[in-house]
Amino acid sequence: NAGVTQTPKFQVLKTGQSMTLQCAQDMNHEYMSWYRQDPGMGLRLIHYSVGAGITDQGEVPNGYNVSRSTTEDFPLRLLSAAPSQTSVYFCASMTGEGNTIYFGEGSWLTVV
Amino acid sequence: SQKIEQNSEALNIQEGKTATLTCNYTNYSPAYLQWYRQDPGRGPVFLLLIRENEKEKRKERLKVTFDTTLKQSLFHITASQPADSATYLCALRMDSSYKLIFGSGTRLLVRP
Repeated sequence: NAGVTQTPKFQVLKTGQSMTLQCAQDMNHEYMSWYRQDPGMGLRLIHYSVGAGITDQGEVPNGYNVSRSTTEDFPLRLLSAAPSQTSVYFCASMTGEGNTIYFGEGSWLTVV
Repeated sequence: SQKIEQNSEALNIQEGKTATLTCNYTNYSPAYLQWYRQDPGRGPVFLLLIRENEKEKRKERLKVTFDTTLKQSLFHITASQPADSATYLCALRMDSSYKLIFGSGTRLLVRP
């Protein structure tokens, strides 16, 4: 059972470039989310989805876009990368009960 | 303002002792409180969940308490081992939302 799979693991972008972080889960979970983790800041919610076709903003959504066309996939798009988006990004999913959240292994993004 | 506080200083203890980590929160009324373990370069891993109407939860060497009056949760690891060294995160979930709000974590170091 793969759980939550994120790609790429590492990425370096130039300021102004766009890219998509991929996230897929094979647990048939309704809820998926993206967090970023910065030193001393903890995990901060970027966007989340409660099911296919439904997305909403979290705490720090600016500069990011998401879509949820299938239950399995929840890609995160950086529209025009900025150095402030240098961070570790975690995708997560959980069941409708919402009692346990499963994280991917993270994507390390550096914007130069 | 709403805050979740975990001790930012690392907790350094001797193997075999009990480690106690603290999570304090203000201006939240969580329905659930969760604890996660995070190893360097990895995603957080769920450990325990405690509900607002529960005072204590145990799982093997782990124990969590939840005091909604003090707005505090304590996380204990008994008979600690060097393999327990990691960062431990607490997270709150409100009853009406799937969103999890994370503290910044406390690093635990267990010396052999």
